[in-house]
Amino acid sequence: EAGVAQSPRYKIIEKRQSVAFWCNPISGHATLYWYQQILGQGPKLLIQFQNNGVVDDSQLPKDRFSAERLKGVDSTLKIQPAKLEDSAVYLCASSLDRGPFYEQYFGPGTRLTVT
Amino acid sequence: AQSVTQPDIHITVSEGASLELRCNYSYGATPYLFWYVQSPGQGLQLLLKYFSGDTLVQGIKGFEAEFKRSQSSFNLRKPSVHWSDAAEYFCAVGAGTGRRALTFGSGTRLQVQP
Repeated sequence: EAGVAQSPRYKIIEKRQSVAFWCNPISGHATLYWYQQILGQGPKLLIQFQNNGVVDDSQLPKDRFSAERLKGVDSTLKIQPAKLEDSAVYLCASSLDRGPFYEQYFGPGTRLTVT
Repeated sequence: AQSVTQPDIHITVSEGASLELRCNYSYGATPYLFWYVQSPGQGLQLLLKYFSGDTLVQGIKGFEAEFKRSQSSFNLRKPSVHWSDAAEYFCAVGAGTGRRALTFGSGTRLQVQP
């Protein structure tokens, strides 16, 4: 079974530029999550989708971050314009909608450096 | 809102020695608890999870964790550490209803000395 795929793996941009990250979840997983992991910290949820609907985006800085999951499969996270403090690893995870708690499977992440 | 505290930022142990990583959580109801490991440049891998039942749970790679409700703790243990266990370890709590995203602690970096 293929895991969660993310691209690119690394990205370096200047502040005020825009950037987009892509995630393809495990086949059949209805729920998709984007987390931000700043160096030295644990991952923090940015947005959670169930199929193509948003379940939780309370911690997404909506003035500069946006995310979509148009067909309920893969997803794109965008930052426009980027700030220095956006430098982090962006992790995508997915889970099946089954059982008492949905075990999350994580992708390798995209490391973003904003200069 | 739930929270997780990992009091130890960095731990060094000798290969073959036992290991215990501490995790304390705050959550109003019965928590769903997890331990993940992250090697450099890698994503998060689930070591073990606790949903209910037996408070001592076994995971992969010889790890185990014990849920203690009275202490709000979920400490990770391994009887004999291998050099390949050097990594960052994260404890996480899940709400378990609707919003199923995880709240992570800040992590403990494990260094293993030969």
